[in-house]
Amino acid sequence: AQSVTQLGSHVSVSEGALVLLRCNYSSSVPPYLFWYVQYPNQGLQLLLKYTSAATLVKGINGFEAEFKKSETSFHLTKPSAHMSDAAEYFCAVTTSGAVSYQLTFGKGTKLSVIP
Amino acid sequence: GAGVSQSPSNKVTEKGKDVELRCDPISGHTALYWYRQSLGQGLEFLIYFQGNSAPDKSGLPSDRFSAERTGGSVSTLTIQRTQQEDSAVYLCASSSRAFPNYEQYFGPGTRLTVT
Repeated sequence: AQSVTQLGSHVSVSEGALVLLRCNYSSSVPPYLFWYVQYPNQGLQLLLKYTSAATLVKGINGFEAEFKKSETSFHLTKPSAHMSDAAEYFCAVTTSGAVSYQLTFGKGTKLSVIP
Repeated sequence: GAGVSQSPSNKVTEKGKDVELRCDPISGHTALYWYRQSLGQGLEFLIYFQGNSAPDKSGLPSDRFSAERTGGSVSTLTIQRTQQEDSAVYLCASSSRAFPNYEQYFGPGTRLTVT
């Protein structure tokens, strides 16, 4: 079984400040991890993914995430927040052992950026 | 190229009526997923199709829910005798299953409101 926990349903940061969105996963086999972003009234857009290559993954819009097996974490960061980053962010996991590679999502973190 | 499309974008229906939601995956993608996004439950997997294989229906919440995929392309999610708790955004995703460069591309969703 696999699961994802996102700490903090709401995070607020000032424009230009560091963005840190936390994600911890549980999986009995090596995971594949994803971060998706959802803007209001839109579908999910892939930000970045970890598929067992480099542990530091760079994505779109200046985001990156680091896979830390010892901490079972895959936190999302961005050095400097922009107003356009305001959205909801979802961490998701699947595994090579999953029959259908279905994604298991966290509950989401809504990011607000304060001018 | 064209992304995943879903129709209708919004659907309001009366309790007890049947509804059909449509998904057009990215051309050439063999895997298709349905998810449900609701306030109380977050993002939940519903059903998965892969080629001509039997679908993985393990996420369907009740026997009022069914889905089919015709010709390995377009999919229809049907909800019979809708209930108010069925109100949610229904998201469709498709994937090429090019493992491990695996990712799911999501459509914009259908917002279903049951009155």
